[in-house]
Order: sequence, then C-alpha cells, then structure tokens
Amino acid sequence: RKEVEQDPGPFNVPEGATVAFNCTYSNSASQSFFWYRQDCRKEPKLLMSVYSSGNEDGRFTAQLNRASQYISLLIRDSKLSDSATYLCAVNIASGTYKYIFGTGTRLKVLA
Amino acid sequence: GAGVSQSPSNKVTEKGKDVELRCDPISGHTALYWYRQSLGQGLEFLIYFQGNSAPDKSGLPSDRFSAERTGGSVSTLTIQRTQQEDSAVYLCASSWSGGAREQYFGPGTRLTVT
Repeated sequence: RKEVEQDPGPFNVPEGATVAFNCTYSNSASQSFFWYRQDCRKEPKLLMSVYSSGNEDGRFTAQLNRASQYISLLIRDSKLSDSATYLCAVNIASGTYKYIFGTGTRLKVLA
Repeated sequence: GAGVSQSPSNKVTEKGKDVELRCDPISGHTALYWYRQSLGQGLEFLIYFQGNSAPDKSGLPSDRFSAERTGGSVSTLTIQRTQQEDSAVYLCASSWSGGAREQYFGPGTRLTVT
C-alpha cells in the first residue's frame, strides 16, 4: 500500500456542484495534513491545513478521519476557477516533518 | 513579503554534465525541502533540512544527487553526471519550524537533460 493515495480523477463537475475528494494515508502516527492546489505547470499552493476537528474556509471544508486514516476536501458551489489538481500532504510519522504528497486529484469544473 | 525563489527557472543540459539548482527560502523559515516532479506525476520527496540538524536525505535517488544549505538559508541541489531520467521540475519549499508547518513552494526549476 502506498503511503499516501488519491484518486487521480479527473472529476468533471458542472459549475455550482459540490465535489469531494479523499486522501488515504498508511501511517496511523501521522499528525499533520494539508491540501494543496496545483495549476498546470505551476507550483503547488497551500489551500488549507486539516485540523482534527475539521475546518472550513469559505467554500472549502477539510476533514480528518483518524479511524479510517483519510482526509477529505469538500468544495461547495464549484467555480470554473476551481479547476486544478488537488494534492494532499501527510507527514510520514509522528515527530518528523518529512511530508509525502499524494499524486493529486484532477478537478475540471464545466460551464 | 518575498516568497521562495528558485534559479534558474529553466535549465537545459547535456547528458553527463553537472548542474546546480538554487533555492532561496522565505526569510525566517528554518525548514527547507526539495522535491522532484516529473511530467504528470506527483511530488517526489528528495531531501529535508531542519535548522542545524543533519538533513534527511532519504529521498535522494542516487549518489549523483546532493544538497547543501549554507548559513541556514540558501540551498543548492547538485546533480552530477546528469541522465535523461533526471529531467523533471525541481521544486523547493520552506516552512516555519513551529505551528502547522505549512510549506510554501518556489516556482521550480525545469531541468531538461538532452
């Protein structure tokens, strides 16, 4: 099993739709989780951290499910500009800040 | 403030030559990371510097790859005797040592080995 796994997609959704992605991780000791957004031929940009209790930033909601070892990203009211690849990042073990990134989930929001 | 900068933005080199890639992290960030991303692939961890601690080199793919970080700031990734499979975008990121440790990425160096 890979340390961090994501469904590569693409997820094709109409504007205004709600879409959710998951990211599973293998090490139960992982403690730090992030979602990044990467546009084509650009560097990843931090979208949001993922907190234990879940957190929201505008149309974006991140959640952590420790029991099943996955994090999720929910995007409400999708915009055309949300089209990108979404990468999750997980620290590989407690006490280390070496991160493993998922290969990303590609989202296309269609007009 | 200024973000992470990397140079050069593009580098074309012949197989067998050595290359140096530079990363200038955000001022005050004590953690610095190097990743590699091949076309259509995810980020591959290469090396991680944390303050004055010994770097975590566990991701370096071969002994042709090395990196150093001088004065706790600028870092240089060196690839010796480049091979075609080294062609990729090399990304640098930096973060604070405390808090959530979000990483901020530079624009990358696109390396092409011919």
